[in-house]
Amino acid sequence: GENVEQHPSTLSVQEGDSAVIKCTYSDSASNYFPWYKQELGKGSQLIIDIRSNVGEKKDKRIAVTLNKTAKHFSLHITETQPEDSAVYFCAASDSGAGSYQLTFGKGTKLSVIP
Amino acid sequence: DVKVTQSSRYLVKRTGEKVFLECVQDMDHENMFWYRQDPGLGLRLIYFSYDVKMKEKGDIPEGYSVSREKKERFSLILESASTNQTSMYLCASSFRTTEAFFGQGTRLTVV
Repeated sequence: GENVEQHPSTLSVQEGDSAVIKCTYSDSASNYFPWYKQELGKGSQLIIDIRSNVGEKKDKRIAVTLNKTAKHFSLHITETQPEDSAVYFCAASDSGAGSYQLTFGKGTKLSVIP
Repeated sequence: DVKVTQSSRYLVKRTGEKVFLECVQDMDHENMFWYRQDPGLGLRLIYFSYDVKMKEKGDIPEGYSVSREKKERFSLILESASTNQTSMYLCASSFRTTEAFFGQGTRLTVV
């Protein structure tokens, strides 16, 4: 099955700096890579996702890059703000054949220091 | 506004009790999932379901069972709760290969 490794497990940055979280996956058939933000008391929310037919996707201060050859993908948050502090999870799935089973990384606790 | 609702935010149960965790979604999603989340281990899939009355084992199904009698409801059952099942349990749903939506989670403590 799929195995997703996520690094780092904790990350502290100064407000305004950039944060980068990296994930690698093992199954070359995986073609969907979402990122979730988990805030205390708010559950987990999708913040951005990318499919294997593109190499990069941006949404305001958030971007995700995908390198299919190397089987890794990364989350980039620019101009970090205190409200970006949360636990972030990457995931991978093979969405072919109508299935949608996500395998998650272990999470990264991001702290943005004002 | 999409909604996945878990019946309890916090539960305390005794060892050996039968425990039911309920999850309801109002989006007519085909897929539903149960994960548990533990510090340092991330989210691990327990069971999932692609349709009514159908279930598939995830990565850690031992000690759990599930029920999906109606499309909108997916129940996780701990047949005989043990202390190592103390965890945060997350339910999620999705439509085909699109975004998964999560419930708020149930923090279960088994004493």
